[in-house]
Amino acid sequence: DTGVSQDPRHKITKRGQNVTFRCDPISEHNRLYWYRQTLGQGPEFLTYFQNEAQLEKSRLLSDRFSAERPKGSFSTLEIQRTEQGDSAMYLCASSSNTQGGETQYFGPGTRLLVL
Amino acid sequence: QQQVKQSPQSLIVQKGGISIINCAYENTAFDYFPWYQQFPGKGPALLIAIRPDVSEKKEGRFTISFNKSAKQFSLHIMDSQPGDSATYFCAAGGNNAGNMLTFGGGTRLMVKP
Repeated sequence: DTGVSQDPRHKITKRGQNVTFRCDPISEHNRLYWYRQTLGQGPEFLTYFQNEAQLEKSRLLSDRFSAERPKGSFSTLEIQRTEQGDSAMYLCASSSNTQGGETQYFGPGTRLLVL
Repeated sequence: QQQVKQSPQSLIVQKGGISIINCAYENTAFDYFPWYQQFPGKGPALLIAIRPDVSEKKEGRFTISFNKSAKQFSLHIMDSQPGDSATYFCAAGGNNAGNMLTFGGGTRLMVKP
């Protein structure tokens, strides 16, 4: 199966620590998206890339959040100085603008717990 | 600001019945409307999607009905099965809306055997 993969699947950290999550998109997809999902809610858009360019980042929750996609393949999402309110599922999705662009395929997510 | 409103929040249906979930949107720039199914601990999985140039789309037991003038769309699950028990999310997006998806709040469906 060559779907979207995310690592780690679970992360427990202490408040104030930095965490980094990785996403590997479907291999031929040039668009990559990050979403956050809190318990009982729908996913909330954070940022997205087309190839290595970050085309939308105004929805990142604070300046503690940053994302990169240096070679247009995998992406990382970093949260600095984590807070308990950052506890959530972080979802990655990918799509191809050569196949209608809008269809986004999601990975399994990384569940973050900040103690 | 919730741009996509979904109802009901939870739904219980008997096996073999029809499950109906409704969504309404505000942003007329949306031109792509997918539905996702999510099981606990998993990522959302695309079920079916529609664009505003058609009023209905059917794939197997799943049908989307779309009313552009009312800015509403709905998911119908025919012959609901216990395996359909999951949380369903409507979403709206498209190239004219910045390529991001805006999700509804979700509907937790339980299909009783």
